[in-house]
Amino acid sequence: ELKVEQNPLFLSMQEGKNYTIYCNYSTTSDRLYWYRQDPGKSLESLFVLLSNGAVKQEGRLMASLDTKARLSTLHITAAVHDLSATYFCAVDRYGATNKLIFGTGTLLAVQP
Amino acid sequence: KAGVTQTPRYLIKTRGQQVTLSCSPISGHRSVSWYQQTPGQGLQFLFEYFSETQRNKGNFPGRFSGRQFSNSRSEMNVSTLELGDSALYLCASSPGIPTYEQYFGPGTRLTVT
Repeated sequence: ELKVEQNPLFLSMQEGKNYTIYCNYSTTSDRLYWYRQDPGKSLESLFVLLSNGAVKQEGRLMASLDTKARLSTLHITAAVHDLSATYFCAVDRYGATNKLIFGTGTLLAVQP
Repeated sequence: KAGVTQTPRYLIKTRGQQVTLSCSPISGHRSVSWYQQTPGQGLQFLFEYFSETQRNKGNFPGRFSGRQFSNSRSEMNVSTLELGDSALYLCASSPGIPTYEQYFGPGTRLTVT
């Protein structure tokens, strides 16, 4: 059974600091997704990582994928308050496309 | 291009009742997936429909069912509601082939009393 774990579950950081959220998954997977969710809102797609070594960046967020280690990271650079949200990683597999298995989520609180 | 729409946005039901939620995907998208989000269980996959056929199914009891119409709109139904069914129900739209990204709707907040 495919399982996805994220850590930390909660992250309080100061503006201007850097930090990394980790996403581990239990079996071979084909695609890794990162989503953002603001309180009471839906999921916003951030990144889709399709292959080993993939790296994508958008603003202060950078995501990478290591399929051999079954690990993805979401790196936050010089955090700002607007990044406060819950971040989810998710995976799916060929043969079960669009069946996303989500991690537990990381609640990020950026303090001024 | 209009996004994914879900109706209703909020719903209050009583235990034992049934409920139907609706999802209209992005125009041209043929795949609709449904997810349940609760504080305790997180985000869980319910099922996916593609071209009116259920293509994938999660580990939910038979009280949870769905369907997709020829215009790709989808409905999910929950019968004999239980308190634990209180959740945010999200649907996601995808082109179908290739399917590397899903676009989520605003969700339906269901409260069972």
